[in-house]
Order: sequence, then C-alpha cells, then structure tokens
Amino acid sequence: DTEVTQTPKHLVMGMTNKKSLKCEQHMGHRAMYWYKQKAKKPPELMFVYSYEKLSINESVPSRFSPECPNSSLLNLHLHALQPEDSALYLCASSQLSGWYNEQFFGPGTRLTVL
Amino acid sequence: SQQGEEDPQALSIQEGENATMNCSYKTSINNLQWYRQNSGRGLVHLILIRSNEREKHSGRLRVTLDTSKKSSSLLITASRAADTASYFCAPLNQGGKLIFGQGTELSVKP
Repeated sequence: DTEVTQTPKHLVMGMTNKKSLKCEQHMGHRAMYWYKQKAKKPPELMFVYSYEKLSINESVPSRFSPECPNSSLLNLHLHALQPEDSALYLCASSQLSGWYNEQFFGPGTRLTVL
Repeated sequence: SQQGEEDPQALSIQEGENATMNCSYKTSINNLQWYRQNSGRGLVHLILIRSNEREKHSGRLRVTLDTSKKSSSLLITASRAADTASYFCAPLNQGGKLIFGQGTELSVKP
C-alpha cells in the first residue's frame, strides 16, 4: 500500500464549528506532515510529526490543533476558524523526516469556512 | 525566503515538444525535489537529486543541479497532454524542511 488517504475530501464549516481532518498511511513511514495550500500558491508547511511526536510547528494559530494517535494516523482538529483559513489541506508522509526522503502526499481536503 | 523561485511561472507548448523549468534557491540544501500537482489535487513526487549530484534521469525527466549557482532545472522531453500540471521545485534545507517554490504551470496542447 503506497497511498496516503485523507478524509473528508470536502468540508464546509461555520466559524463556530469544530471539525477534524484525518490522514492515514500504511507504508510504515515515521514522519507525517500537514500543509496548507491556497489557490495558485505552493504548499506551506504547518506541522511535522516524527515518531508520533510534534517536531515542527510553523507558528500556526492555535485554532489548528494537530494530533498523532499512532504511527499511521494524523489528525488536524479545527476550531473557530476564519474565512481566510479556506484552503486545500494536504497530508504527507515520509520514511523519516529530514534527509534524502521523498514525501508521499494525500489528495487533500478542500476546506471552506463560511 | 529560502523557497525555490521558479521560472517561467507559466509555459504553454505543443505535444511532442520539450518543456524546461528552472528553479533557484537561496540557502544550502541537502537535496532538491521536484513534484507535480494536477489541478486541485495532491502532489506527486517526480525526482530527487542530492546535493552531490549534477544530473539525474527518470524516464522522460531530466533534472540538473548546480549548487554553485543555487539552481536546478527540470526538462520534460516529448511532452504529452497528460503532462499538463503545475510543477514545483522543493529544496530540502539543512533543517530537514521542504520549501516549495511558486511553481510553473505547464499546459501541453494536443
């Protein structure tokens, strides 16, 4: 299995809602990533988990809360988002974080905040 | 910014022609990777070139890296309509982070 899956594919939420994005991989990768991508822009790194521990937080607002329950799963909990948070949220994984590792990306969750 | 800067921002060619995209970056890197993204979808890893390599091939892809000039190029030979996508270079910095460039939007017309 060389796939990273993400659910849901699309999500529409109000500013007062709480929702979660899910990501799963079964490649035995020990590093997992969340990226945010606005239209016609490159992906921007949000968080990196290495061996289920948060290793990089790119100064992301606290309304985004990541969680890595085990080595295969990565969640992104959303609360009190703003309309400008609307974007494509991409999950990725790699064998190990850092050197010489390609990242495998999921198809993304298209988030719209009303 | 450490990110890769890509040139051109958009490229339109006919099927069968070659497409060349260039990338420049600012800091020391461990390796440089190229990714493709079809409209609104996830990224697909194309090729990785290490900092001690100068050229790498994979099928119709050829990547070069010049660390003295802090630049890389991606050549797609004999392009096909299915190659239509956005292409991103992503230098891997010494901190282990991929920093994506702005991307080149390639359109291959049948």
